Amino acid sequence: DTEVTQTPKHLVMGMTNKKSLKCEQHMGHRAMYWYKQKAKKPPELMFVYSYEKLSINESVPSRFSPECPNSSLLNLHLHALQPEDSALYLCASSQDDRGGASNQPQHFGDGTRLSIL
Amino acid sequence: DAKTTQPNSMESNEEEPVHLPCNHSTISGTDYIHWYRQLPSQGPEYVIHGLTSNVNNRMASLAIAEDRKSSTLILHRATLRDAAVYYCILRTNYNNNDMRFGAGTRLTVKP
Repeated sequence: DTEVTQTPKHLVMGMTNKKSLKCEQHMGHRAMYWYKQKAKKPPELMFVYSYEKLSINESVPSRFSPECPNSSLLNLHLHALQPEDSALYLCASSQDDRGGASNQPQHFGDGTRLSIL
Repeated sequence: DAKTTQPNSMESNEEEPVHLPCNHSTISGTDYIHWYRQLPSQGPEYVIHGLTSNVNNRMASLAIAEDRKSSTLILHRATLRDAAVYYCILRTNYNNNDMRFGAGTRLTVKP
């Protein structure tokens, strides 16, 4: 069991649907992350939140919309996705390491496997 | 960001030590060396990290070359549960929470 909980574990949606992925942690971490992972490839960083503010956006298409409503929750809102967006979406959290707080390890959830029809 | 180079795959026998190499010839003085692994159907898991000195924890040991251009993750006694993709990642101090994965090494453990 991981300390980062992602729901749902699996999601199948059509290209016109709107859905949200959810991520929750109660470790007091103030940095949270979304990664996308295609089959047999490494995770790719999408977004980073630091103290509930978006600090990194890796030029992700606007059909992906992140939200960090509080320090424990991270959402990824999905709208008008394409078949190539089918992937495993991973959430992670860590102590915030701005200002050289020594590279805090990231804790990952087990992901949401998303399929776009 | 400085890059890392790892073998695509390695094999090991159960209960034998495993040495997973990583080259990072363009490493800078402020780069930490991190290792994560990803077991099948799971998210990545932190293994260990270090800067200059060798490091040990309950999962593994990290041996860092004196010039820091390479490092080796050591699993002292491989088990079937250690079969995973192992990622060597450089993270710069003061790096604003940024972390990028390379291709990693797929470790197969044979019984």
